Amino acid sequence: SQTIHQWPATLVQPVGSPLSLECTVEGTSNPNLYWYRQAAGRGLQLLFYSVGIGQISSEVPQNLSASRPQDRQFILSSKKLLLSDSGFYLCALTPQPRSTDTQYFGPGTRLTVL
Amino acid sequence: QKEVEQDPGPLSVPEGAIVSLNCTYSNSAFQYFMWYRQYSRKGPELLMYTYSSGNKEDGRFTAQVDKSSKYISLFIRDSQPSDSATYLCAMRSSGSARQLTFGSGTQLTVLP
Repeated sequence: SQTIHQWPATLVQPVGSPLSLECTVEGTSNPNLYWYRQAAGRGLQLLFYSVGIGQISSEVPQNLSASRPQDRQFILSSKKLLLSDSGFYLCALTPQPRSTDTQYFGPGTRLTVL
Repeated sequence: QKEVEQDPGPLSVPEGAIVSLNCTYSNSAFQYFMWYRQYSRKGPELLMYTYSSGNKEDGRFTAQVDKSSKYISLFIRDSQPSDSATYLCAMRSSGSARQLTFGSGTQLTVLP
């Protein structure tokens, strides 16, 4: 079965600093990959998804960006963090075969912007 | 109006009670339905997945879908303190990117 790793688990950053969150997966090839943000007490907001290497679709216009340099690596970045970027960031995947349709989530990264 | 509505709770029940969690949706294109359980400070964990109207049972959990009423439910029998978590419904229509639309989650506490 597939495994999702997220790094780091917790991060505290000042406003205006850069950000790089990493997601790596094991146990599946060519998955769909997703970045979500979950604000305190709120639902999941889809930020980006990727159906393959170098293919990124953005759901919400903001100061975040995503990249997929390798099949099993998904990176979320920002050049300058805002206070509103605080939240719980979750990486998810839909494994092959995609007919299974469901999404599986990683352990998350808790980001606090001060 | 949100595409998926879910009562946020919080919901507190005594151990052993039957719990009913519900979501309504407005998009008739939704065909596939999921329930996730999320413990505090953890990623969501897939509990149930179904794509047809009716009931699907897995141990103490039963997922119910009524497409005509655009209403889904998750029932937990013989609830345990370890069931205390936030429960998220999710659904999607057919499409190549398999994007999900989530409810906002219901916070459940099972009291020993």
